[in-house]
Amino acid sequence: GQQLNQSPQSMFIQEGEDVSMNCTSSSIFNTWLWYKQDPGEGPVLLIALYKAGELTSNGRLTAQFGITRKDSFLNISASIPSDVGIYFCAGQSMGGAQKLVFGQGTRLTINP
Amino acid sequence: GAGVSQTPSNKVTEKGKYVELRCDPISGHTALYWYRQSLGQGPEFLIYFQGTGAADDSGLPNDRFFAVRPEGSVSTLKIQRTERGDSAVYLCASSPTGGAVTEAFFGQGTRLTVV
Repeated sequence: GQQLNQSPQSMFIQEGEDVSMNCTSSSIFNTWLWYKQDPGEGPVLLIALYKAGELTSNGRLTAQFGITRKDSFLNISASIPSDVGIYFCAGQSMGGAQKLVFGQGTRLTINP
Repeated sequence: GAGVSQTPSNKVTEKGKYVELRCDPISGHTALYWYRQSLGQGPEFLIYFQGTGAADDSGLPNDRFFAVRPEGSVSTLKIQRTERGDSAVYLCASSPTGGAVTEAFFGQGTRLTVV
C-alpha cells in the first residue's frame, strides 16, 4: 500500500532554534497535510497544502507541497516549549478518496 | 460538547472478548472516519461513513471489525474475539456537510488494551 516516509523520527533541540522535517512518498498525492499530536489527544491540523509547489505559512510554521506531488516539508521557526509533540504528515490520494495516509511521525523535544 | 467525543477513554479487555467503542461526532457533521494508531506509528484508516452508510471500509483489517452509524450521527466500532494485536488507540474524526477528510476534526481517541 501507499506509504509516507517521514524524517527525522525524533529531534532534540534548544528553545529558540528552527526546526525542519520532511515527508516523501513513492506515490503522488492530491493534498498534503501536517498535524501535531499531544499526548492523550488526537491529531490537530496545522497546515493543508492543495497545489504542487504551494508554500503556506501559519504563524511560525511554513510548509511546502513538492512540485512532484511526492514530498513536503514543514519548518518551525524560533521554537517554543509548547511546540513539543509529535508531528505527522498525511497525504490524500488522487481521485478524491476520503482517507488519509499518515507518516510515522517526528517527535520533537525542546530543551529550555 | 464542541468537539468529537469518544468513549471510553481507556478500555482494557481480555483476549477473545467483544468490545464496542463509541464516537460522538461534532453536531451536524455528516462525514465520520475511524482510524487506528499503534504505538509509535501514525494513524491508519479503517472506515469512512457518509451519513448512515459506510462509503469506504477498505481499511478494516478483517471480519472481526465492524462499524455502524444507524442514525447518521453516533458511530460504534465493534471488535469481536479481540486479539492482543488489536491493542492500539482508536481515533474517530468528523467533517462537515460537503467537507472533505482534509477538514476533519479528530477526537482524543480510545486506548484499547487487550490482555
